[in-house]
Formats: sequence, C-alpha cells, structure tokens
Amino acid sequence: AQTVTQSQPEMSVQEAETVTLSCTYDTSESDYYLFWYKQPPSRQMILVIRQEAYKQQNATENRFSVNFQKAAKSFSLKISDSQLGDAAMYFCAYRSAQTSYDKVIFGPGTSLSVIP
Amino acid sequence: DAGVTQSPTHLIKTRGQQVTLRCSPISGHKSVSWYQQVLGQGPQFIFQYYEKEERGRGNFPDRFSARQFPNYSSELNVNALLLGDSALYLCASSSIAGGRTGELFFGEGSRLTVL
Repeated sequence: AQTVTQSQPEMSVQEAETVTLSCTYDTSESDYYLFWYKQPPSRQMILVIRQEAYKQQNATENRFSVNFQKAAKSFSLKISDSQLGDAAMYFCAYRSAQTSYDKVIFGPGTSLSVIP
Repeated sequence: DAGVTQSPTHLIKTRGQQVTLRCSPISGHKSVSWYQQVLGQGPQFIFQYYEKEERGRGNFPDRFSARQFPNYSSELNVNALLLGDSALYLCASSSIAGGRTGELFFGEGSRLTVL
C-alpha cells in the first residue's frame, strides 16, 4: 500500500522569505501523480501544484516549485517570497495513474505560519 | 460557474443516529469522491462514484454508504453514528475517473459532530 509522510507538523517563515516543506512517499508503482494541496481555515482544499511521475522536470507554479526526486521518493515544496495568504495547512498527496478510480492518499499535513 | 457545493455545512448528531450529507459537483463533472478528515489529520478516501456506479471504496465499515444520482449529485450516508465519526466530510468532483484524471475540485466540506 502507498503511504505519504510529512515529517514537519509545523513550520514558520518570515514574510518575503523562502520556505521548503518536506514530503516522502512509498510506492511500488511507476506511474503516479504527486500533489501539494493547501487548506486554509476556510477548509476548502486547493490544489497548489502537481507533478507527473514520468516527467523528470520539476513543476513550477509562480512562487511555488517542487523538488521531485523519484529514486529517493521525495517530493518537497518550495514557497518563494512568502505572503501572509500562504498561511495554511499543506498536504502532500499521491494518486496512482494505474487504477480506474481516483483514490488520493494524503499525508498528515504541515501547518505553515507566515510571520509579518 | 459554481464550484463543488456541499450541505449542510455543520451538523450535530448523537450516537446511534443516522446522517445524510449532500454534494453537487461542478457542472459537467461526472465523478464524485468522498473523503473523511478527522481533526489534525489528512483526508482519507471513502468512496468514488462515476456515472452513477461505485468505482472505488476505502477502508470504511459498511455503516458508510453512498449513491450518485442521474444529475451526478451524490449523497453520503452514515448509519449508527459513533463518536469517532466526528470529522469534516469533503466532497470532490472531477470530469473523469481513474487513469490520467484531471484535477480534483473540493468543496468546503460538512462538519459533523457526534455527541
């Protein structure tokens, strides 16, 4: 069974600085997706960035980028120029591309605080 | 366009009661998935329905059931409620299911408290 681990329950960053959130996962599959989701206090889960395992290039979305190390099964999220609105729970997640349904496996989350 | 909508947003039940939660997917989306998020944890997959058929089920007891209607909206039912069922129940929709599915879009959830 696949698992997702986030070893940092809480992180903090100064406004305008850079922070990196860590994630490791375990799978025997070769074709899958990895995601970072943001969940603010409003509760709605929002997709931040996604990475397809067969793509070697790291995904980027504006201030958000990932470091995808497939052999090490590591998938970290870097947030540059942190803003107050980035404060939220961040979940790393995995989904197989080899099944007929969309079971997304979430990690336990990292609570990010942004200090003005 | 409206996003994924869920109702009710909050509800309180007592042990042994039954609850029904509702979800309307984004227009044009045929897949609905349900997740349970216990406080302080990541969401856990309960069900996925696509074209009114169950496509996948997580590790939840038979007290949990769901269905999808012809308009692709969905209901999640939980019978014989336990204190441990207290959680945020999230619904997510997508255009297709499995394989190279596109993005999952989540609703704001239904907060269930069991006393």
